[in-house]
Amino acid sequence: RKEVEQDPGPFNVPEGATVAFNCTYSNSASQSFFWYRQDCRKEPKLLMSVYSSGNEDGRFTAQLNRASQYISLLIRDSKLSDSATYLCVVFRNTNAGKSTFGDGTTLTVKP
Amino acid sequence: DVKVTQSSRYLVKRTGEKVFLECVQDMDHENMFWYRQDPGLGLRLIYFSYDVKMKEKGDIPEGYSVSREKKERFSLILESASTNQTSMYLCASRLDTEAFFGQGTRLTVV
Repeated sequence: RKEVEQDPGPFNVPEGATVAFNCTYSNSASQSFFWYRQDCRKEPKLLMSVYSSGNEDGRFTAQLNRASQYISLLIRDSKLSDSATYLCVVFRNTNAGKSTFGDGTTLTVKP
Repeated sequence: DVKVTQSSRYLVKRTGEKVFLECVQDMDHENMFWYRQDPGLGLRLIYFSYDVKMKEKGDIPEGYSVSREKKERFSLILESASTNQTSMYLCASRLDTEAFFGQGTRLTVV
């Protein structure tokens, strides 16, 4: 079993739709959680951190459920420019140490 | 803004060649990482370094080595390139929790 697993996708949605991605992690000692966005043929870039209380950034909402060991990303009112691959990232500690990436979920928003 | 620069965007090398992939970051980050990214396999950690001259194996270190002689530079070395090392290679640096990536090097071994 992979340490971080994501919905395989791909997700194809019309503009304006609401879409949600889930990501589960297996190591209960994981401490920090993030969503990264990767455009085609580009490097991953931080989209948002995920906090225990949940956090929102415009149309994007991230949530963490430590008891069930999953994080989620909700995108409201999808735009064409949201088309990308979304990577879930888990850190086991905040200093030296590896981060583990999910394989990513591909979203295509269509007109 | 943090800048992580990889020396090449595209490389084509022959089987058996020794290949150097260079990565430089300009934000004095302690931690640097090398990943490869392949379709269906996601990002896999090859090696990382948390200080000058320090290195740790990641999940798939076989066939690779690294060098961190200066804080800003982390080099990935393919001792004898093989076709199964054809991939996208991504370097990242990190101070605390956010990782910043270079633009990637697409390496093809023929």
